[in-house]
Amino acid sequence: NAGVTQTPKFRVLKTGQSMTLLCAQDMNHEYMYWYRQDPGMGLRLIHYSVGEGTTAKGEVPDGYNVSRLKKQNFLLGLESAAPSQTSVYFCASSRSGTGTGELFFGEGSRLTVL
Amino acid sequence: AQSVTQLDSQVPVFEEAPVELRCNYSSSVSVYLFWYVQYPNQGLQLLLKYLSGSTLVKGINGFEAEFNKSQTSFHLRKPSVHISDTAEYFCAVSYTNAGKSTFGDGTTLTVKP
Repeated sequence: NAGVTQTPKFRVLKTGQSMTLLCAQDMNHEYMYWYRQDPGMGLRLIHYSVGEGTTAKGEVPDGYNVSRLKKQNFLLGLESAAPSQTSVYFCASSRSGTGTGELFFGEGSRLTVL
Repeated sequence: AQSVTQLDSQVPVFEEAPVELRCNYSSSVSVYLFWYVQYPNQGLQLLLKYLSGSTLVKGINGFEAEFNKSQTSFHLRKPSVHISDTAEYFCAVSYTNAGKSTFGDGTTLTVKP
């Protein structure tokens, strides 16, 4: 009964380093999303995907790249980490692109950039 | 563009008291409205949603919300809270463009004994 799984859960990076966050869902959902959560700012959409092989920019895409090579996986990459990217990152998936379906979230990945 | 405003960033209440968490939205089109709850160090999970029909929707854990189109509000209520309701609550609007959601900044509900 895994749902949405994110790895790693915690990571500390130095400025300029790169890393990839992995999101995996076992619900056969078409739609997947990456959000970042910062104190007092709610969740902001970074990138999203409407199906295997597709990606699109969200509200705050700068400094991030994504890939969806397999339907069940959605990867978020930071090519050159900056302190402003210190945040908690949440992956979510949905069966519906019409806006009527709920989002299923992972438990989050806490990233600190020094 | 759609936006969501949660009017209270923090709401402290005593156990067994009623609570209302306020949410207003702005949108030029029909919207779907959601409330999510986030317990410490966890992801968000759905409390309830309004898609259409009855404006009073009931969710899990005794929560309910009322959709008011004229006031563009979707306030969350619970008649009697428990310590275990302590969490952060997010109001969200979703729309038909790839199911993307816009979230409010969150309201931290703290239930005191």
